[in-house]
Amino acid sequence: DQQVKQNSPSLSVQEGRISILNCDYTNSMFDYFLWYKKYPAEGPTFLISISSIKDKNEDGRFTVFLNKSAKHLSLHIVPSQPGDSAVYFCAALTGDRGSTLGRLYFGRGTQLTVWP
Amino acid sequence: GAVVSQHPSWVICKSGTSVKIECRSLDFQATTMFWYRQFPKQSLMLMATSNEGSKATYEQGVEKDKFLINHASLTLSTLTVTSAHPEDSSFYICSAPGGGNTIYFGEGSWLTVV
Repeated sequence: DQQVKQNSPSLSVQEGRISILNCDYTNSMFDYFLWYKKYPAEGPTFLISISSIKDKNEDGRFTVFLNKSAKHLSLHIVPSQPGDSAVYFCAALTGDRGSTLGRLYFGRGTQLTVWP
Repeated sequence: GAVVSQHPSWVICKSGTSVKIECRSLDFQATTMFWYRQFPKQSLMLMATSNEGSKATYEQGVEKDKFLINHASLTLSTLTVTSAHPEDSSFYICSAPGGGNTIYFGEGSWLTVV
């Protein structure tokens, strides 16, 4: 049961343009969302996060938007750079007190390719 | 700063043998650690939750007798893949909560069973 969904397995964007990666979730108990960047055979690298009490968080070229009513979030990268090419995972933490603290729910990832 | 160290990064083993992967929290104590597995082009799937001083909690479909987890101290959790088979070849990664909503990941271990 995939509670975090990334429906686009891949995205190709030209350098300098905006990359928009989307993520949907089903569990209304999720209260914190994270985006990770990952290269093959390496651990995920944390990019940016957002609490469910906010609708936007910005850090440099990265902005995450959260639409809680739609259970949708997106990661915007602008301007995109070739070095951004990687797999991006959306993940969520639950506020359910009965759940184990720190257990992440991951989407399947989106392969971003930024071409010159 | 706080780091989770995982090793080995790469391991090749023969079918039928066992392989141990270690996950250490540096500079902080981790009463809980998580073990994930990622098959190529798939998501990171939680295998089990490692609890210091008690038994691990396994996700549905994960064989606890095959994937032995030991969390004997507040800084070390180990995952042992017993009687490994080629289908166990995968990328294994651990994580530990670092307080608040901070999650630290290990570097990951790529297992190839031949």
